[in-house]
Amino acid sequence: AQSVSQHNHHVILSEAASLELGCNYSYGGTVNLFWYVQYPGQHLQLLLKYFSGDPLVKGIKGFEAEFIKSKFSFNLRKPSVQWSDTAEYFCAVKRGNNAGNMLTFGGGTRLMVKP
Amino acid sequence: DAEITQSPRHKITETGRQVTLACHQTWNHNNMFWYRQDLGHGLRLIHYSYGVQDTNKGEVSDGYSVSRSNTEDLPLTLESAASSQTSVYFCASSERSTGLFGELFFGEGSRLTVL
Repeated sequence: AQSVSQHNHHVILSEAASLELGCNYSYGGTVNLFWYVQYPGQHLQLLLKYFSGDPLVKGIKGFEAEFIKSKFSFNLRKPSVQWSDTAEYFCAVKRGNNAGNMLTFGGGTRLMVKP
Repeated sequence: DAEITQSPRHKITETGRQVTLACHQTWNHNNMFWYRQDLGHGLRLIHYSYGVQDTNKGEVSDGYSVSRSNTEDLPLTLESAASSQTSVYFCASSERSTGLFGELFFGEGSRLTVL
């Protein structure tokens, strides 16, 4: 069965620090990759997504992620975090190109940014 | 604006009672999903539907059922609530069209406590 691993469950950073959250998946075929963010008390929102083309994807709020096929990874990065980035971040993978295939989510990473 | 709404947002019930969580979307999406969110487990898929009269079991479907009588609604029923079903439940939907290929849109969640 496909799995998605987020190795860092909790991350604490100071404002202006750089961020990298790891995401690895186990499926070997074509994948679509997503990062979702859940701010405190809110629903999940799409941060960025990769379907094909340039493996470096830029999303909202200065976030970016790089798809490295050989490493089965899709790590999320931000050069300088802000207090407002405090949230839980979920990596998700969808197999193939069929929009009907469901997303498999990682366990999430809780980011706390100290002012 | 199109949206996806869940009700109730908060519910406390007793073990053994039947509970139904409502999910209504106005996106006119074919695909609808129910996830539960638990600490350390991220989001796990309970049931999903690719269209009217279609329902499928997800990763953690035991003790839950869904029905899809129209495009807009996918109610989730706990036939006999158990304390292990205390969780936050998220409904989501997606469209098959290329522009929204695989992206999920989430409701705001329903927090269920089973005493």
